[in-house]
Amino acid sequence: SQTIHQWPATLVQPVGSPLSLECTVEGTSNPNLYWYRQAAGRGLQLLFYSVGIGQISSEVPQNLSASRPQDRQFILSSKKLLLSDSGFYLCAWSSVAGGSEAFFGQGTRLTVV
Amino acid sequence: AQTVTQSQPEMSVQEAETVTLSCTYDTSESDYYLFWYKQPPSRQMILVIRQEAYKQQNATENRFSVNFQKAAKSFSLKISDSQLGDAAMYFCAYRSAYNTDKLIFGTGTRLQVFP
Repeated sequence: SQTIHQWPATLVQPVGSPLSLECTVEGTSNPNLYWYRQAAGRGLQLLFYSVGIGQISSEVPQNLSASRPQDRQFILSSKKLLLSDSGFYLCAWSSVAGGSEAFFGQGTRLTVV
Repeated sequence: AQTVTQSQPEMSVQEAETVTLSCTYDTSESDYYLFWYKQPPSRQMILVIRQEAYKQQNATENRFSVNFQKAAKSFSLKISDSQLGDAAMYFCAYRSAYNTDKLIFGTGTRLQVFP
């Protein structure tokens, strides 16, 4: 069966520090991968998605970047965190079939202080 | 670009009663998929129900059913016989059948269930 791992679960980082959140998927190949941010009143905002290794699409211009170095690995990064980067970050995967649901990781609560 | 709108930030319902959560979407496409996800306090996202746009019949999953109005671009979720465990954030989501890369979510509705 397929599983998705996301870590860390919580993170407190000072303003200006770098960020690296990692997500890995097991039990499937060539998944679509997603990074979402959940902030109060804004629902689930799609940040990045990837349909293959090295292929990253950005939805929202911002202080973050994403990379997919391996088929089932998706990384969210920042060189210098801002206070506004605080939030709950969710990684998800789905198959390429349109009707397939997305499966989510447990999420990372990021607090920038 | 497609958008998903949930106009009810919060809803409440008495246990055993019925509640309907609203969702509208905007798209120029004719074939797509719509989803309702539940996010309980644990924050784990769970698929509640899925609807295929080319199917006229409304999807149902036990106590959960949808009212899909394609012309009106409306996709509401009805929860019957509400239970305390239904208390959660509910998100409506859209996925194109032509460009399946993106899954777009609404802002969510927080549902409270009172005993």
